[in-house]
Amino acid sequence: AQSVAQPEDQVNVAEGNPLTVKCTYSVSGNPYLFWYVQYPNRGLQFLLKYITGDNLVKGSYGFEAEFNKSQTSFHLKKPSALVSDSALYFCAVRGNAGNMLTFGGGTRLMVKP
Amino acid sequence: DAGITQSPRHKVTETGTPVTLRCHQTENHRYMYWYRQDPGHGLRLIHYSYGVKDTDKGEVSDGYSVSRSKTEDFLLTLESATSSQTSVYFCAISEVQGGSPLHFGNGTRLTVT
Repeated sequence: AQSVAQPEDQVNVAEGNPLTVKCTYSVSGNPYLFWYVQYPNRGLQFLLKYITGDNLVKGSYGFEAEFNKSQTSFHLKKPSALVSDSALYFCAVRGNAGNMLTFGGGTRLMVKP
Repeated sequence: DAGITQSPRHKVTETGTPVTLRCHQTENHRYMYWYRQDPGHGLRLIHYSYGVKDTDKGEVSDGYSVSRSKTEDFLLTLESATSSQTSVYFCAISEVQGGSPLHFGNGTRLTVT
Protein backbone atom coordinates (compact mmCIF):
# COMPACT_ATOMS: atom_id res chain seq x y z
CA ALA A 1 0.00 0.00 0.00
CA GLN A 2 1.19 3.49 -0.73
CA SER A 3 1.51 6.12 1.98
CA VAL A 4 2.65 9.67 2.61
CA ALA A 5 4.09 11.11 5.82
CA GLN A 6 4.25 14.78 6.69
CA PRO A 7 6.09 14.67 10.00
CA GLU A 8 5.35 18.25 11.08
CA ASP A 9 1.83 19.32 11.95
CA GLN A 10 2.95 22.94 11.87
CA VAL A 11 5.92 24.90 10.58
CA ASN A 12 6.62 28.44 11.79
CA VAL A 13 8.87 30.79 9.87
CA ALA A 14 9.53 34.50 9.81
CA GLU A 15 8.69 36.47 6.71
CA GLY A 16 11.66 36.68 4.38
CA ASN A 17 13.26 33.49 5.70
CA PRO A 18 13.48 30.29 3.68
CA LEU A 19 10.89 27.62 4.39
CA THR A 20 10.82 23.85 4.08
CA VAL A 21 7.81 21.57 4.47
CA LYS A 22 8.78 17.93 4.68
CA CYS A 23 7.24 14.95 2.93
CA THR A 24 8.29 11.30 2.67
CA TYR A 25 6.47 8.62 0.75
CA SER A 26 6.18 4.91 0.16
CA VAL A 27 4.94 3.50 -3.14
CA SER A 28 5.49 0.62 -5.52
CA GLY A 29 7.35 1.55 -8.66
CA ASN A 30 8.15 5.05 -9.75
CA PRO A 31 6.13 7.74 -8.00
CA TYR A 32 4.08 10.64 -9.22
CA LEU A 33 4.39 13.29 -6.49
CA PHE A 34 2.31 16.39 -5.90
CA TRP A 35 2.05 19.36 -3.58
CA TYR A 36 -1.22 21.16 -2.91
CA VAL A 37 -2.11 24.20 -0.83
CA GLN A 38 -5.40 24.86 0.94
CA TYR A 39 -6.63 28.24 2.12
CA PRO A 40 -9.50 28.52 4.64
CA ASN A 41 -12.88 27.36 3.35
CA ARG A 42 -11.45 26.49 -0.04
CA GLY A 43 -10.54 23.36 -1.93
CA LEU A 44 -6.98 22.25 -2.53
CA GLN A 45 -5.00 24.08 -5.18
CA PHE A 46 -2.29 22.35 -7.19
CA LEU A 47 1.22 23.78 -6.65
CA LEU A 48 3.63 21.48 -8.44
CA LYS A 49 4.37 17.91 -9.42
CA TYR A 50 7.20 15.51 -10.08
CA ILE A 51 6.84 12.86 -12.75
CA THR A 52 10.31 12.25 -14.07
CA GLY A 53 13.45 14.11 -14.99
CA ASP A 54 15.06 16.95 -13.05
CA ASN A 55 14.93 16.36 -9.31
CA LEU A 56 14.21 20.03 -8.61
CA VAL A 57 10.70 20.98 -9.65
CA LYS A 58 9.47 24.55 -9.81
CA GLY A 59 5.84 25.45 -9.28
CA SER A 60 3.41 28.24 -8.59
CA TYR A 61 3.98 31.26 -6.30
CA GLY A 62 7.77 30.73 -6.13
CA PHE A 63 7.56 27.27 -4.56
CA GLU A 64 9.84 24.43 -5.54
CA ALA A 65 10.30 20.86 -4.40
CA GLU A 66 13.23 18.50 -4.40
CA PHE A 67 12.75 14.83 -5.24
CA ASN A 68 15.20 12.50 -3.50
CA LYS A 69 14.75 8.90 -4.58
CA SER A 70 17.18 7.36 -2.08
CA GLN A 71 15.49 9.10 0.84
CA THR A 72 11.98 8.74 -0.67
CA SER A 73 11.38 12.39 0.06
CA PHE A 74 9.77 15.30 -1.75
CA HIS A 75 10.25 18.37 0.42
CA LEU A 76 8.56 21.66 -0.47
CA LYS A 77 10.74 24.77 -0.35
CA LYS A 78 10.65 28.49 -0.91
CA PRO A 79 13.65 30.82 -0.66
CA SER A 80 11.78 33.71 0.98
CA ALA A 81 8.48 33.21 2.79
CA LEU A 82 5.56 35.62 2.61
CA VAL A 83 2.82 36.12 5.19
CA SER A 84 0.37 35.24 2.42
CA ASP A 85 1.98 31.77 2.18
CA SER A 86 0.33 30.88 5.48
CA ALA A 87 -1.95 27.96 4.68
CA LEU A 88 -2.33 24.19 4.91
CA TYR A 89 -0.03 22.18 2.64
CA PHE A 90 -0.56 18.63 1.46
CA CYS A 91 1.83 16.21 -0.17
CA ALA A 92 0.37 13.40 -2.30
CA VAL A 93 1.65 10.35 -4.16
CA ARG A 94 0.39 8.01 -6.83
CA GLY A 95 2.17 4.88 -8.01
CA ASN A 96 2.64 4.55 -11.76
CA ALA A 97 0.38 1.52 -11.86
CA GLY A 98 -2.35 2.81 -9.60
CA ASN A 99 -5.43 4.94 -9.75
CA MET A 100 -5.49 6.31 -6.23
CA LEU A 101 -3.83 9.52 -5.11
CA THR A 102 -2.85 9.22 -1.45
CA PHE A 103 -2.48 12.35 0.66
CA GLY A 104 -0.42 13.10 3.72
CA GLY A 105 -2.04 14.49 6.83
CA GLY A 106 -1.12 18.07 5.99
CA THR A 107 1.25 20.67 7.46
CA ARG A 108 0.10 24.07 8.57
CA LEU A 109 2.55 26.78 7.58
CA MET A 110 2.53 29.95 9.66
CA VAL A 111 4.58 32.86 8.36
CA LYS A 112 4.94 35.69 10.85
CA PRO A 113 5.76 39.30 9.94
CA ASP B 1 -10.68 27.61 -10.12
CA ALA B 2 -11.44 24.81 -12.52
CA GLY B 3 -15.13 24.58 -13.42
CA ILE B 4 -16.24 22.47 -10.47
CA THR B 5 -19.35 23.22 -8.46
CA GLN B 6 -20.31 21.36 -5.33
CA SER B 7 -23.78 21.58 -3.83
CA PRO B 8 -24.84 22.20 -1.21
CA ARG B 9 -21.93 24.05 0.40
CA HIS B 10 -23.25 23.38 3.88
CA LYS B 11 -25.71 20.84 5.20
CA VAL B 12 -26.93 19.78 8.61
CA THR B 13 -28.85 16.54 8.80
CA GLU B 14 -30.00 14.05 11.38
CA THR B 15 -28.64 10.57 11.99
CA GLY B 16 -30.38 7.98 9.84
CA THR B 17 -31.47 10.31 7.04
CA PRO B 18 -30.27 9.92 3.45
CA VAL B 19 -28.06 12.65 2.03
CA THR B 20 -26.89 13.30 -1.52
CA LEU B 21 -24.05 15.61 -2.43
CA ARG B 22 -23.60 16.78 -5.98
CA CYS B 23 -20.51 17.59 -7.99
CA HIS B 24 -20.84 19.26 -11.36
CA GLN B 25 -17.94 19.94 -13.75
CA THR B 26 -17.73 21.93 -16.94
CA GLU B 27 -14.26 20.69 -17.97
CA ASN B 28 -15.36 17.44 -19.63
CA HIS B 29 -12.74 15.54 -17.62
CA ARG B 30 -12.98 11.77 -17.57
CA TYR B 31 -12.06 11.16 -13.94
CA MET B 32 -14.02 12.36 -10.92
CA TYR B 33 -13.36 11.71 -7.24
CA TRP B 34 -14.96 12.13 -3.86
CA TYR B 35 -12.71 12.73 -0.85
CA ARG B 36 -13.42 13.48 2.76
CA GLN B 37 -11.21 15.69 4.87
CA ASP B 38 -10.88 15.17 8.61
CA PRO B 39 -8.36 16.65 11.04
CA GLY B 40 -5.30 14.45 11.35
CA HIS B 41 -6.27 12.28 8.38
CA GLY B 42 -5.67 14.57 5.45
CA LEU B 43 -7.87 13.65 2.52
CA ARG B 44 -9.14 10.12 2.09
CA LEU B 45 -10.65 8.78 -1.11
CA ILE B 46 -14.24 7.56 -0.85
CA HIS B 47 -15.09 6.62 -4.45
CA TYR B 48 -13.99 7.60 -7.89
CA SER B 49 -15.27 7.39 -11.43
CA TYR B 50 -13.35 6.74 -14.64
CA GLY B 51 -16.27 7.30 -16.97
CA VAL B 52 -20.04 7.39 -17.22
CA LYS B 53 -21.43 4.55 -15.10
CA ASP B 54 -17.88 3.40 -14.28
CA THR B 55 -17.01 3.74 -10.62
CA ASP B 56 -14.77 2.11 -8.06
CA LYS B 57 -14.22 2.15 -4.33
CA GLY B 58 -11.62 4.12 -2.47
CA GLU B 59 -10.15 3.50 0.94
CA VAL B 60 -13.16 4.66 3.01
CA SER B 61 -16.16 3.63 0.93
CA ASP B 62 -18.29 1.93 3.60
CA GLY B 63 -21.60 3.75 4.06
CA TYR B 64 -21.29 5.65 0.78
CA SER B 65 -22.49 5.06 -2.75
CA VAL B 66 -21.94 7.03 -5.95
CA SER B 67 -23.49 7.44 -9.35
CA ARG B 68 -22.38 9.01 -12.58
CA SER B 69 -25.03 9.09 -15.28
CA LYS B 70 -23.48 11.99 -17.19
CA THR B 71 -19.88 13.06 -17.72
CA GLU B 72 -20.43 16.30 -15.85
CA ASP B 73 -22.20 15.03 -12.73
CA PHE B 74 -20.95 12.79 -9.92
CA LEU B 75 -23.26 12.17 -6.97
CA LEU B 76 -22.26 10.96 -3.53
CA THR B 77 -25.00 9.40 -1.40
CA LEU B 78 -24.99 8.59 2.27
CA GLU B 79 -27.81 6.06 2.51
CA SER B 80 -28.26 6.51 6.27
CA ALA B 81 -26.08 9.24 7.69
CA THR B 82 -24.10 8.64 10.88
CA SER B 83 -22.24 11.06 13.13
CA SER B 84 -18.93 9.57 11.93
CA GLN B 85 -19.74 10.93 8.49
CA THR B 86 -19.59 14.50 9.74
CA SER B 87 -16.81 15.88 7.58
CA VAL B 88 -15.87 18.18 4.74
CA TYR B 89 -16.40 16.48 1.40
CA PHE B 90 -14.41 17.46 -1.67
CA CYS B 91 -15.01 16.59 -5.26
CA ALA B 92 -12.05 16.53 -7.63
CA ILE B 93 -11.55 15.98 -11.34
CA SER B 94 -8.65 15.05 -13.57
CA GLU B 95 -8.19 14.71 -17.29
CA VAL B 96 -6.16 11.51 -17.18
CA GLN B 97 -4.44 9.40 -14.54
CA GLY B 98 -0.74 9.15 -13.83
CA GLY B 99 0.87 12.56 -13.62
CA SER B 100 -2.26 14.57 -14.18
CA PRO B 101 -3.06 16.75 -11.14
CA LEU B 102 -6.45 16.78 -9.52
CA HIS B 103 -8.51 19.96 -9.46
CA PHE B 104 -10.78 20.41 -6.47
CA GLY B 105 -14.13 21.97 -5.76
CA ASN B 106 -14.63 24.19 -2.72
CA GLY B 107 -16.14 21.47 -0.60
CA THR B 108 -19.35 20.62 1.22
CA ARG B 109 -19.40 20.82 4.99
CA LEU B 110 -21.73 18.12 6.28
CA THR B 111 -22.81 17.90 9.91
CA VAL B 112 -24.74 14.85 11.10
CA THR B 113 -26.45 15.43 14.43
